[in-house]
Amino acid sequence: SAVISQKPSRDICQRGTSLTIQCQVDSQVTMMFWYRQQPGQSLTLIATANQGSEATYESGFVIDKFPISRPNLTFSTLTVSNMSPEDSSIYLCSAPQGATDTQYFGPGTRLTVL
Amino acid sequence: SQQGEEDPQALSIQEGENATMNCSYKTSINNLQWYRQNSGRGLVHLILIRSNEREKHSGRLRVTLDTSKKSSSLLITASRAADTASYFCAPTISSGSARQLTFGSGTQLTVLP
Repeated sequence: SAVISQKPSRDICQRGTSLTIQCQVDSQVTMMFWYRQQPGQSLTLIATANQGSEATYESGFVIDKFPISRPNLTFSTLTVSNMSPEDSSIYLCSAPQGATDTQYFGPGTRLTVL
Repeated sequence: SQQGEEDPQALSIQEGENATMNCSYKTSINNLQWYRQNSGRGLVHLILIRSNEREKHSGRLRVTLDTSKKSSSLLITASRAADTASYFCAPTISSGSARQLTFGSGTQLTVLP
């Protein structure tokens, strides 16, 4: 199975600042996804990150707030910009792998905004 | 997109009992995946069942898939306190952007010692 790591695992940030979350996959993948899980809620897809092209954002999420980079086939970053307490969530990256597109998730980044 | 809906929303059982969770979906799929999430952590992939499979086992897990009814079930046998977690199903279409997963609310399983 794929191994996906995320940095940082958790952070506490001040309102108005930005945080960049890193996601590293142990093998090359075409697609990577970023999800948000607000407290007590299920996962919501933020965007799809493909290498070599702009990320595709879901309704309700915009590039200015959540800029994404995908410099190569094993790495992606998600930035949460100009944070407010409403951005306090767990942020997870994932990638499908293998012939069956089994999708693996990173351990998540727990963000608290004060 | 394809979204699974888990049922029940919450399930509480005694250690050693079996736990059954159900998933329903609305579109045609290539496969269906089940995940576990312990509180505040990432999703752990449990098992994937393909659309041409009816049943699959992995350790204490048994998954069934009925594509005619667009439903799946996850059975955990001889449950343990460590099985306490949220469980999510993810029906999957392996085609382009449809590989993204859409999650329901999950089933919160509590196994009492």
